[in-house]
This record gives sequence, structure tokens and C-alpha cells, in this order.
Amino acid sequence: DIQMTQSPSTLSASVGDRVTITCRASQSISSWLAWYQQKPGKAPKILIYKASRLESGVPSRFTGSGSGTEFTLTISSLQPDDFATYYCQQYNSSPCSFGQGTKLEIK
Amino acid sequence: QVQLQESGPGLVKPSETLSLTCTVSGGSVISGSYYWSWIRQPPGKELEWIGSIYYSGSTNYNPSLMTRVTISVDTSKNQFSLKLSSVTAADTAVYYCARCSGWYLSPFDYWGQGTLVTVSS
Repeated sequence: DIQMTQSPSTLSASVGDRVTITCRASQSISSWLAWYQQKPGKAPKILIYKASRLESGVPSRFTGSGSGTEFTLTISSLQPDDFATYYCQQYNSSPCSFGQGTKLEIK
Repeated sequence: QVQLQESGPGLVKPSETLSLTCTVSGGSVISGSYYWSWIRQPPGKELEWIGSIYYSGSTNYNPSLMTRVTISVDTSKNQFSLKLSSVTAADTAVYYCARCSGWYLSPFDYWGQGTLVTVSS
């Protein structure tokens, strides 16, 4: 099975900051990676798929990049609505798997 | 707009079978373009894919749960269901149903709100 490791586990930032979250796969997954945002008590919401493609309706301040085993999610200018937990997911091979999450907190 | 809604008991006794149903509205499970999935999230932990089903009944399961899981589809009711047998406290989680944006190895683009299932006597 492919293991997904995110860093950092927690990130403190302020409104307007630029932040980057990293996701590493235990083996190459090409570009078969998605990013989700989850708020407390809610289901995850897809932000990005195929490593860099923005889901319809997602603000352009979210950017995904990477391929192979290393990927990043960047939020260019944090908005109050962005404070949440972010998960990466690989769907290169079964079983698909998720990272442990990165909690983005207000500094 | 596709909507998914989980339903089922919120409390299950150890060794019994957990049963949940997902009702799809605003779309059809018969659509040949999508797989339909179950995902769970233990309290404070990461997400875990349980398995997926196609409208034809073809299924794919996480090997870690395969011996205990059955996913089925009822096209007449536009629903799909999850059964997890021999549950223990480790199966306590929020259970989500979701739509795969394509075949079973694809991102999940629509999710239900989730339902907490607690395993306890």
C-alpha cells in the first residue's frame, strides 16, 4: 500500500499569509493526487485533482504542484475561510489512501 | 446538484454488523460514469477508503477490511449500502458516502454529511 505523509501536521498563520503544505508518497504516484479541505463537523471538499487541476468553483489562491512522490498545496493569501484541515489523497493504485492531515490554525 | 445522505443506526454492539445506506438525489447511481464509495474517519484520525461499487454491482474493497465488508447497490431506490461485520471499538468512526469522479480510483467530488457510528455495548 502507498503511504502518504503530510507536513507540517499543524501550521499557524495569519490572514494574508502565503502558506505551503507538503505531501510525500512512499512510491511514485505520477500526478494522481488530490487535495481536500475539511472543516470541523463537515465532509471534506475537493480542491485540486491530478496534482494541479483546480476543481470548479475553488478560488484561484489555491495552487497544487508536484509529481512522482512530492507534492505541495499553496494558498497564496490566506482568507478567514481557509482555516481548516487539509488532506492529500493518492489514487494511483488501490487502495487509495490519504495523508494524516495538516491543520491550518490562526496565529 | 448531486446530494448524498447517509442513514442508519448510530450505535452498534461489538461483534454485530454495522449497516448504513446512502441515498443519492440530484443524480443517478445508474450513471455509467461514476463509482460510489464509502469512506470512514475515526475520531481525530485520517480518512480511510472502505470500498466502492459500480451500478452493475462490481465492487472494489480495501484489503484491510475486505473480509468484513459488503457494499451493494439498489438502483430502484437510487441507493447504495454498506455492511461491516464483526465490529469492534476500532470501527467507531464517522462514515461518509461519496461519489468517485470517475472509476473507483479517482477523487471524490461529492460527499454526504457523514454519520457517526459508535461501537459500544
